Parts: sequence; structure tokens; C-alpha cells
Amino acid sequence: GDSVTQMEGPVTLSEEACLTINCTYTATGYPSLFWYVQYPGEGLQLLLKATKADDKGSNKGFEATYRKETTSFHLEKGSVQVSDSAVYFCALGSSNTGKLIFGQGTTLQVKP
Amino acid sequence: GAVVSQHPSWVICKSGTSVKIECRSLDFQATTMFWYRQFPKQSLMLMATSNEGSKATYEQGVEKDKFLINHASLTLSTLTVTSAHPEDSSFYICSAAIQDTQYFGPGTRLTVL
Repeated sequence: GDSVTQMEGPVTLSEEACLTINCTYTATGYPSLFWYVQYPGEGLQLLLKATKADDKGSNKGFEATYRKETTSFHLEKGSVQVSDSAVYFCALGSSNTGKLIFGQGTTLQVKP
Repeated sequence: GAVVSQHPSWVICKSGTSVKIECRSLDFQATTMFWYRQFPKQSLMLMATSNEGSKATYEQGVEKDKFLINHASLTLSTLTVTSAHPEDSSFYICSAAIQDTQYFGPGTRLTVL
């Protein structure tokens, strides 16, 4: 079945450091891929998405490219801020069921 | 755009009582809404898929008689936790779908004493 694997956290970075959170997937069909962010005590916010191979999603300085050849959708940001501290979820939208399949989440902590 | 609200944001109830959580899409209509449960420091677990005007589809292992879902309109779905017990304490999150994208509510923290 479809699945998503994220790098384990927590990831601790200093402000202005570069961020990469790895995400790989297995899927049948042609899924859409998503990154969601969850701040403490809150629901999930859509950060970015890509709907087909080679698409790049971007938002608030974050970006991720849908790479079908490596079945990956790694999240990147060139310079993180303290306010980026949160839990990041990679998710796959099943083309068969419409359901989201989530990775386990990666906690990012950015220190001043 | 694509704002989803939940009410209440937190609730404390006594064991054996029922609790209703509302999920509303504020600026769009959603034929499909989803209900999730999240345990501390864990990912989201899909409980059920709610379709407007029809019965909800529950995931394996989720008791449909305990977690009653009603999707009465294109902007409102409700989750009722019946005869709640302490093990039902959790963070419940809903989402509403626009095509292939789900937009999430802020969540409801349920504590059962």
C-alpha cells in the first residue's frame, strides 16, 4: 500500500541555517504530495503542494520538488528562523481513495 | 481562503457523557470532510471520511457507534463522542477537502475525567 517515510527528528538548527527534511514515498498511481506544518497546540496548515512529477511547491521560503525517479519530496529552506520551529508532516494524497497518508512528522527546533 | 473552524477548541467532560465537536468550512463548500485523532508527539490517525448527505466511512478499528459523524450540509460536519471514557481523551482534528487538497481545522482537545 501507499506509504510515506520522513527523516526522524528532532532537528535542531541555529537561526539562518539551511534546512532539509527528507521525505520519500511509495505509491500506486499518480499521487499529489504535500507538506503541512503544525505549531504547538494547533491544527495543520498547508505549507506547499505539488501535483505531478517535477512540480516544485514553494511558500514562505520553503520549497520541495516532486521527484518521481527517486520517489522523494524533500523540504528545503535556505535560512530558517526561530518562528519556523514546529512539526512538519509530509503527506501523500492517494489518487485511489482521496485520503491523505502522513509521514510520522519531523520536529524542527530553531535556536537564536 | 480555505478556512476551517472547529468548535469547541477544548472541552473537559465527565466519564459517561457525550461530547459533540463541530467542523465548519467557512469560505468554501466541502462535499468531503475527514476526522482525525492525534496522540501526543504522533502523526494523525484517520478515523473516518464524512460525505455530505450520506453515511460516514470509518477506518478499520474505529467504533462507528462510539464516534458518530453527521455531515448535514456542505459546510458542517459533526463528531459526537458517545459515552466518553478517559481513553478517548485526545486531540481531534477535522479537515475539509477541495479537490485533492485537505484544509485542516485548529483541533479540539478533549479531556475525559
